[in-house]
Amino acid sequence: SSELTQDPAVSVALGQTIRITCQGDSLRNYYASWYQQKPGQAPVLVIYGKNNRPSVIPDRFSGSRSGNTASLTITGAQAEDEADYYCNSRDSSGRHYVFGSGTKVTVL
Amino acid sequence: EVQLVQSGAEVKKPGESLKISCKGSGYNFTNYWIGWVRQMPGKGLEWMGIIYPGDSDTRYSPSFQGQVTISVDKSLSIAYLQWSSLKASDTAMYYCARLHSNTWYIAWVDSWGQGTLVTVSS
Repeated sequence: SSELTQDPAVSVALGQTIRITCQGDSLRNYYASWYQQKPGQAPVLVIYGKNNRPSVIPDRFSGSRSGNTASLTITGAQAEDEADYYCNSRDSSGRHYVFGSGTKVTVL
Repeated sequence: EVQLVQSGAEVKKPGESLKISCKGSGYNFTNYWIGWVRQMPGKGLEWMGIIYPGDSDTRYSPSFQGQVTISVDKSLSIAYLQWSSLKASDTAMYYCARLHSNTWYIAWVDSWGQGTLVTVSS
C-alpha cells in the first residue's frame, strides 16, 4: 500500500480549474514532485520542489503544500491535460521513495 | 542532453532469469541516483529501488527486497535490474529514472527511460 494517498479520479470542465491532492505524513518533511502520464507513454515531470516547473511545462500547472498535503493545480484545464497524475516523495523513513496511488483526470 | 535508453522488450517463461538494462548518457552517470519503477498493466507506478552509481549504495523498497537485484556498471554507465526466477506476476512495464536533488528535502525524477515491457507467460 502507498504511503501517499490520492483521489482515484477527478473530472473538470474544459477551461476550469482543478486541484489534485496527495496526502501523507512524510510530506510534512519532504516536498512532493508530480508526474503526468498519458496512455502508452513514460511519465513526465510537471512540478517539483516548492513550485517549480520544467521549462516545457505550461504555466497553468502549479504546486503547493500545506501540512501533510501536497497539491497540483491546473488553472484553465485543456483537453491535452487529460491523463493520470502521480505524486512522489520520500517515505517516512527518508530512505525510500514512494508514488501516490495516482489520480485519473478527465477533461469534459 | 540527458538520456536514459533501456533494453528492448522481453518475453520469458516462469522460472527463467532476466536482466534488463538502462544506459545513461549526456551527464556524469556516477553523480545521480538511478531508480527502477514498475508499472503493472492498468496499474500505478511503484518504486522498486534506487542505486547510487558512484559507490553502488543500493536501497530496495520493502515490497521488492529479495525479489530483484539492482546493480550498475559505472564504466559503461549502465544500470541493471535482474530477476533470478520470474513469475507471471512480474509481467509489467519497467522504467528506469534519474533522481535529481538539490537539498535533502527536495528530489524529483528529471529523466525517464522509455520503458522495457517484460511479459512472463508459459
